[in-house]
Amino acid sequence: AQTVTQSQPEMSVQEAETVTLSCTYDTSESDYYLFWYKQPPSRQMILVIRQEAYKQQNATENRFSVNFQKAAKSFSLKISDSQLGDAAMYFCAYRSFSTQGGSEKLVFGKGTKLTVNP
Amino acid sequence: NAGVMQNPRHLVRRRGQEARLRCSPMKGHSHVYWYRQLPEEGLKFMVYLQKENIIDESGMPKERFSAEFPKEGPSILRIQQVVRGDSAAYFCASSRQGENIQYFGAGTRLSVL
Repeated sequence: AQTVTQSQPEMSVQEAETVTLSCTYDTSESDYYLFWYKQPPSRQMILVIRQEAYKQQNATENRFSVNFQKAAKSFSLKISDSQLGDAAMYFCAYRSFSTQGGSEKLVFGKGTKLTVNP
Repeated sequence: NAGVMQNPRHLVRRRGQEARLRCSPMKGHSHVYWYRQLPEEGLKFMVYLQKENIIDESGMPKERFSAEFPKEGPSILRIQQVVRGDSAAYFCASSRQGENIQYFGAGTRLSVL
């Protein structure tokens, strides 16, 4: 079974600075998807960014980018020019590529609470 | 295009009562997923449904929990004879056929007294 580990329960960053959130995962599959979701105090789960494992290029979405190291099974999220609105819980998630056998479920890490200081 | 709608947002039940949580997927989405989030934890998968079919229920407790996604109407997660340990936030997500992104609702927070 796949597992996702987020080793940083809490992180803080100064407004306008850059912060990196760590995520590692364990899988025997060669193709899969990885996601970062954001959960602000409203509890709404918001997709931040996704990465297909078969793509070597790291995904970017505006101020958010990932460092995907497939051999190391690492998928970190970098937030540049941090804003107060970035304060939230951030969850890393894994999904199998294959949809056979009901494997469309997301496997989540325990999350990292990000505080942005003004 | 409305997002995934869950209701109620908050649900309070006494031990032994039944809880019904509703989820209306995004328009055009035929896949529904339910997840549970305990305090200070990540989301844990419970069940994956398509219209009128349960595809994967590997995360569902064997007793008291059931889910359905009828041909018409929302998906329902039903918890019978609730206990204090069922207190959690329950999230629903939906996706289109063949799409790898799941879009989440705002969740239902269940409190069992």
